[in-house]
Amino acid sequence: DAMVIQNPRYQVTQFGKPVTLSCSQTLNHNVMYWYQQKSSQAPKLLFHYYDKDFNNEADTPDNFQSRRPNTSFCFLDIRSPGLGDTAMYLCATLRDPLNEQYFGPGTRLTVT
Amino acid sequence: SQQGEEDPQALSIQEGENATMNCSYKTSINNLQWYRQNSGRGLVHLILIRSNEREKHSGRLRVTLDTSKKSSSLLITASRAADTASYFCATDYGNNRLAFGKGNQVVVIP
Repeated sequence: DAMVIQNPRYQVTQFGKPVTLSCSQTLNHNVMYWYQQKSSQAPKLLFHYYDKDFNNEADTPDNFQSRRPNTSFCFLDIRSPGLGDTAMYLCATLRDPLNEQYFGPGTRLTVT
Repeated sequence: SQQGEEDPQALSIQEGENATMNCSYKTSINNLQWYRQNSGRGLVHLILIRSNEREKHSGRLRVTLDTSKKSSSLLITASRAADTASYFCATDYGNNRLAFGKGNQVVVIP
């Protein structure tokens, strides 16, 4: 089945130790998003790729970076995680000009 | 960015009853969407209503949009235990970027 896959599902990292989260899709969608969702809060858009074009949200900390080497894969890099970065990270895709976003199951990141 | 905001109360209802939740937003939108999230999982798109529409149905779901009041409601009819989840509204504030509201937790008791 076509889908959005996130790896790992659970990640524990130490304060300040770089971590990379992975997202892949078999939908061949041209837009990919990364959201951060803290406990009992709404998902918050960090950035998105429209094809190869990177679009950062104004309030996304510089500590968060992203790479999209090809259509299928997108990575979220947290250069120096802080305790406040503990959250669920959600990847989503969309085929422009349609409006429905398809979400992966998320990676639950814990920073200790 | 803007945030859709749901009424904060959690809902606990009996199976077969209807569940209604509301959402308000702050500025103009292209469309408003509702998503469901089961505990600890990703979100699933439920329904989209465009800014020029007032009501839309999809199966047991009915969504309304009042752009003059900047509000929307989601009605789930004849609820089932499988409807237990958190429900989020999200506003498209341009270029398919979504601002999600806080979410409304619904528990359907069998």
